[in-house]
Amino acid sequence: AQSVAQPEDQVNVAEGNPLTVKCTYSVSGNPYLFWYVQYPNRGLQFLLKYITGDNLVKGSYGFEAEFNKSQTSFHLKKPSALVSDSALYFCASREIGFQKLVFGTGTRLLVSP
Amino acid sequence: EAEVAQSPRYKITEKSQAVAFWCDPISGHATLYWYRQILGQGPELLVQFQDESVVDDSQLPKDRFSAERLKGVDSTLKIQPAELGDSAMYLCASSSGGDSYNEQFFGPGTRLTVL
Repeated sequence: AQSVAQPEDQVNVAEGNPLTVKCTYSVSGNPYLFWYVQYPNRGLQFLLKYITGDNLVKGSYGFEAEFNKSQTSFHLKKPSALVSDSALYFCASREIGFQKLVFGTGTRLLVSP
Repeated sequence: EAEVAQSPRYKITEKSQAVAFWCDPISGHATLYWYRQILGQGPELLVQFQDESVVDDSQLPKDRFSAERLKGVDSTLKIQPAELGDSAMYLCASSSGGDSYNEQFFGPGTRLTVL
């Protein structure tokens, strides 16, 4: 069965510093991978996805993610964090040909001024 | 910008009562999903529709939960009777097609509290 792990419950970073939110996946074949962000009492907003091709994927609000097949990872990154980036971030995977989207448990990002 | 609409945003009910949630997906989106998100966890799929047909309801507690999408557009999720453990955020999402690479667009959710 496919699964997604987000090893950090919370990531703290100072405004202006680079940030990384970690995600590893386990699927039987090649995965489609997604990052979503959730603000308090809101639904999830799509940030970016990896389907195929370039391992570095660029998404909304200056975020990017790097797909690493050998390490089965899909870490979310941003060169310079903003206080407004503080939110809950979810990584999700989908096996090719299957509909079910499996989410990780989420990582809370806290950016301090 | 088109959005997924959900109502109500908040619902408080007593256990053993019936509750219903409504979702209107983005216009033209054939695939609709209902998720349950327990505090501190990621969303878990309850049911998936392709047009008016159920594609996956393997995680739906069918003894108390039901979902329908009669005309293949909006959808209703019902719980009867509600239990304390049903307290959670219920999220609706839609996507433009059944291909697994399509991203899903989420509504604001309904936060259910069962007393």
